[in-house]
Amino acid sequence: RKEVEQDPGPFNVPEGATVAFNCTYSNSASQSFFWYRQDCRKEPKLLMSVYSSGNEDGRFTAQLNRASQYISLLIRDSKLSDSATYLCVVSTGGNTGKLIFGQGTTLQVKP
Amino acid sequence: EPEVTQTPSHQVTQMGQEVILRCVPISNHLYFYWYRQILGQKVEFLVSFYNNEISEKSEIFDDQFSVERPDGSNFTLKIRSTKLEDSAMYFCASSLAWELFFGEGSRLTVL
Repeated sequence: RKEVEQDPGPFNVPEGATVAFNCTYSNSASQSFFWYRQDCRKEPKLLMSVYSSGNEDGRFTAQLNRASQYISLLIRDSKLSDSATYLCVVSTGGNTGKLIFGQGTTLQVKP
Repeated sequence: EPEVTQTPSHQVTQMGQEVILRCVPISNHLYFYWYRQILGQKVEFLVSFYNNEISEKSEIFDDQFSVERPDGSNFTLKIRSTKLEDSAMYFCASSLAWELFFGEGSRLTVL
């Protein structure tokens, strides 16, 4: 089983649509959870951390379900500039900073 | 805004040659990392470095690889006797706490 599993997509949506990405992780000892964004041939950039209580940052909402080992990202009112690959990332914590990345889900927002 | 810088942005080398990829982490950061991403695949952890020593390394990071922080500012990844399968984007990252900041990457092409 993959450590972090995502549907690779692509998700093709019109501007203004709401789109949801899901991710599952295999290591129940994982302590920290993130969504990163990666544009084509660029470095990953932190989009947001994910907490069990759920957290929202503008049009983006992230949710964590520890019991199901499931993470989600909801993007409302999609913009053309949201087109990118969204990476689900987990860490087992500690101070080594080892991040486990999912394969990523590609989003294409069309006009 | 402070950033992680990497050089070269692209290096082409012949199989069997040694390469050194250089990184300048953010100046007050304490933890340093190398990740790699083979084209079309996920980002993979290679090594983390703290207090002038390796704190964790992955199975990928075998004797062919080494890291060094020679002068308090640069953080280098050396790949000896490169193989075709070493062709990838290599990302350096640094952190002060939990959030990693990635450089733009060094693309290595082994012919």
